[in-house]
Amino acid sequence: DTGVSQDPRHKITKRGQNVTFRCDPISEHNRLYWYRQTLGQGPEFLTYFQNEAQLEKSRLLSDRFSAERPKGSFSTLEIQRTEQGDSAMYLCASSIAGMGTQYFGPGTRLLVL
Amino acid sequence: AQTVTQSQPEMSVQEAETVTLSCTYDTSESDYYLFWYKQPPSRQMILVIRQEAYKQQNATENRFSVNFQKAAKSFSLKISDSQLGDAAMYFCAYIPDGKGGSEKLVFGKGTKLTVNP
Repeated sequence: DTGVSQDPRHKITKRGQNVTFRCDPISEHNRLYWYRQTLGQGPEFLTYFQNEAQLEKSRLLSDRFSAERPKGSFSTLEIQRTEQGDSAMYLCASSIAGMGTQYFGPGTRLLVL
Repeated sequence: AQTVTQSQPEMSVQEAETVTLSCTYDTSESDYYLFWYKQPPSRQMILVIRQEAYKQQNATENRFSVNFQKAAKSFSLKISDSQLGDAAMYFCAYIPDGKGGSEKLVFGKGTKLTVNP
């Protein structure tokens, strides 16, 4: 069990650019969650997948954000036309449905200049 | 409202002493999960302990234990024999939609714990 991994760990981009983050969950986990954490705050839910289906999106997830989990394994989170307000840590977590406990990856820290 | 309140933004404890971090939450569900996660500086979120609401017995994990008061919607974390490695942000979290739903987590704002040698 290698745990949840995320790539890249850090991303610096200019306002208006598109960025994409990847998350690889624990292999037997069928659920995958994305959260956003800003400085001094707890993580906030963005969206989640069960297998390849995206079942819920938070109102925090504007139309500039899109997430996929095409084969029910890894997931990508894309932000189009980045804004300075998108600067945050983006956390991925995975779990087995019904078990409750989520295991987190190290996060991708995004800085939009 | 789905809220978690951690009323102590910062706490400090002497090495080898005991400290308690407080947490209250709001839910109308009868069966749900509660968690404490630890986030060391620049490191990833680690599960410390979890509690299932239907279980009356308080969860324990080595030096970590909880005081779960369901009626009061209170879920405090006690750290015994504090170690320097316990220094971190501690987040209280719960699953407000109970079991069988999205199981998305709602987090508090965190308590920064400092351990003094």
